[in-house]
This record gives sequence, structure tokens and C-alpha cells, in this order.
Amino acid sequence: AQSVSQHNHHVILSEAASLELGCNYSYGGTVNLFWYVQYPGQHLQLLLKYFSGDPLVKGIKGFEAEFIKSKFSFNLRKPSVQWSDTAEYFCAVNSGTYKYIFGTGTRLKVLA
Amino acid sequence: NAGVTQTPKFRILKIGQSMTLQCTQDMNHNYMYWYRQDPGMGLKLIYYSVGAGITDKGEVPNGYNVSRSTTEDFPLRLELAAPSQTSVYFCASSPPGLAGEVQETQYFGPGTRLLVL
Repeated sequence: AQSVSQHNHHVILSEAASLELGCNYSYGGTVNLFWYVQYPGQHLQLLLKYFSGDPLVKGIKGFEAEFIKSKFSFNLRKPSVQWSDTAEYFCAVNSGTYKYIFGTGTRLKVLA
Repeated sequence: NAGVTQTPKFRILKIGQSMTLQCTQDMNHNYMYWYRQDPGMGLKLIYYSVGAGITDKGEVPNGYNVSRSTTEDFPLRLELAAPSQTSVYFCASSPPGLAGEVQETQYFGPGTRLLVL
């Protein structure tokens, strides 16, 4: 069965620190990859997505992610986090079917 | 566009009661989904629909039912509420991707917080 693993459940950083959140998936075929963010009290919204092409994807608010097919990974990065990045981040995978598989989420807290 | 709207925002149910969570989207999206979000568990797919009149089970369908009589609406029904159904429920929709494949971004509603006591 397909699965998505987010190994960091809670991350605490100071402002201006660099961020990397891990995401690994288990599926051998072609996948579409997503990172969603859920700010406190808000609904999920798309940060970035990868379907094909350049494996380095840039999203909103300075976030980027790199698809490494050989490692089945799609890690999220940001060079310098801000207090407003405090949120829960979800990695999701879709293999071309109607079912999206979400990871368990990573709660990021950025200290001002 | 209002996007995806859900009602109610919050509800408390007694064990055994029934209720319907409403979901409406005004983006003319074919695909609609219901998820539940539990702490530390991420989002689990309950049911999905690929168009009016067509629904199918997701990962955790037990205790729920859905219908899709129009493109816009995708209500989720709980017939006999149980404490295990205490959760936050999210509805989402997405358009078809290229060549009809499902690739596109999902658009989420604000969620319904349900407490079953």
C-alpha cells in the first residue's frame, strides 16, 4: 500500500533559522507530490507541487522542495523562517488515481 | 468565488445521534473528497466522488455515508454517532488534470469540528 512518512513530528526553530522537513513516500510508479500548509485556525492550502520536469520546485512564501526519485523523497526547505511560518505542514502524494495519501504532518513553531 | 464552504463549523453530538455535514463548492470541480483529521494522524480519506452520481469509499468509510446529486454539493452523513468519530472533518475539491488524470491541487474547506459525547 502507498504511504507517506514525515519523520519530524514537531520542529521548533528561531526566526532566521533554516528549515528542512522530510517527506518520503512508498510507491514505485509515477507520482505527483504536494506540500500543504495549515496555519493556526485555518484550512489547508497548497504551498507547492511537483508533477514533472525540474525536480526543484519553488512555492509561495519562499518555500521550495526537491524531488529525489532515487530516494523517494520530497523534502521541503526554506532558507530563513519567520514567526508567521508557524503552522502544520503536510506532504501528500497522488499516483494518478483519485486518492491522495497524506503524511501525518509536522508542526513547526518559530520563536520570535 | 467562495471556494469550498462547509457547515456547521462546530457541533456536539450525543452517542447514537445522526447528522449531516454539508459541503459546497462553486468552482465546478468534478472531484470532491471528505477527510477526517485526527491529532498526529494526518488526513484520512473517508469518501470521494468523481462526479455527480458517482461516489466511492476511501480509507476509513465505516460509519459514514455520502451522496452526490449535484456537482456543487457533497454531504457527509453520520447515522449513529460514536465517540471514535470525534474529529475535524475537511471537504475538498479538485478539477481534473490533463487528459482526465487526477493531478491537480485540492482546494480545502475550513473544516467542521465534531465532538461526540
